[in-house]
This record gives sequence, structure tokens and C-alpha cells, in this order.
Amino acid sequence: AQSVAQPEDQVNVAEGNPLTVKCTYSVSGNPYLFWYVQYPNRGLQFLLKYITGDNLVKGSYGFEAEFNKSQTSFHLKKPSALVSDSALYFCAVNIGGFKTIFGAGTRLFVKA
Amino acid sequence: EPEVTQTPSHQVTQMGQEVILRCVPISNHLYFYWYRQILGQKVEFLVSFYNNEISEKSEIFDDQFSVERPDGSNFTLKIRSTKLEDSAMYFCASSDSGDEQFFGPGTRLTVL
Repeated sequence: AQSVAQPEDQVNVAEGNPLTVKCTYSVSGNPYLFWYVQYPNRGLQFLLKYITGDNLVKGSYGFEAEFNKSQTSFHLKKPSALVSDSALYFCAVNIGGFKTIFGAGTRLFVKA
Repeated sequence: EPEVTQTPSHQVTQMGQEVILRCVPISNHLYFYWYRQILGQKVEFLVSFYNNEISEKSEIFDDQFSVERPDGSNFTLKIRSTKLEDSAMYFCASSDSGDEQFFGPGTRLTVL
């Protein structure tokens, strides 16, 4: 079955430190990969996507993600975390053009 | 900046009643989606809509659900006879390309 896994329910990091939120996927073909962020009582906001090309993609708010085909991973990273980055992060995979499946989400806490 | 809007923000209904959730996608977008998020859980794909017809739907989207684009601007999700387990946040999304999706703020549906 096609799936997206976010192995960590929660990630804690100190402000100023680098952060990584992990995502692995299991889909057939060449998927489109996405990261979205959700702040409390808000909808999902697009951060970045990988379609093709350079494995390192840069997105909004200083986030970047690295696509690794051999490990079927698409980890989200940021060199220096901010308290305001604290939110719920979702990895998503677009399969078959019209259907997107989401991971379970990872809650990021950045401590001042 | 254009955005997806959804009304109402919160809908309370009795079990067995019909509800219609409304969305106004971004005006030049061609792909439309509904998702739901049960409190604290993952975002689940319900349905995608393109060229005035359903292009993909999940197993959740049974005969109790329907979607419509009645007037070229609104995109609605109807639940014919609500059940307690339909209580969730419902998110509408739209896309111009079929990959990056823009999400609305959501409608919280509470079924009593």
C-alpha cells in the first residue's frame, strides 16, 4: 500500500539549533513530495515541494528539504530554528495526479 | 494575496441531518479538493475534482458525500445524513497545476 511515514510524533529543539523533521514514503513511480505546516486553528500552509531536479529544495521561512531516492526519504530541515517555527508539520505525497496522502504529522517544539 | 475561503468556520448539527460545507477556491485554479482531519489525527484525502467531475475519491467518500461546483466559484461538500464520526475539521484546497495545493482555514463540523 502507498504510504507516508513521519516516524516522530514530536521533535524538540532549542532556538538557534538546526532542526530536522523526518519523512519517508512508499509509493510507486516518481512521486511529487511536499511539506506543509499547520499553526493552531489554521489550515495547512505550503512550505516546499520536490517535483524533479536538484535533490535539495528550498522553501518558505528558511526551510529546505532533501530528497533521497535510494532511502525514499524527504526530510525537512532548517539550519537555525526559531520559536515561531513551533507548529505541526505534515509531509505529503501526490500520487496519480489527483490524490495526495499525508503523513501523520510531527509536532515541532522550539524552546527559547 | 489570493486565498481559499471556507464557510462556516464552525458548523454544529444533529446526527442524521444534512450539512453543506462551502469553499471559494482561488479564482484561476482548476483543481479542487476536500480533506478532513479528525482532532489530533492525520489529514485524510476525501475527493478531488477537475473539469467539473470527480477525478479521485477515497474510501471515506461514500454515498453520503457529494461535491458540487454550482456556479463556477463555489465548491461545496454535502454530507447527506451526518454521523457522529463525521465530526472533524474539513479543509478545502485548490491548485492551478495539480501539485501544490492551497488550503482554506477549514470548517469545524460537530455532529451531536
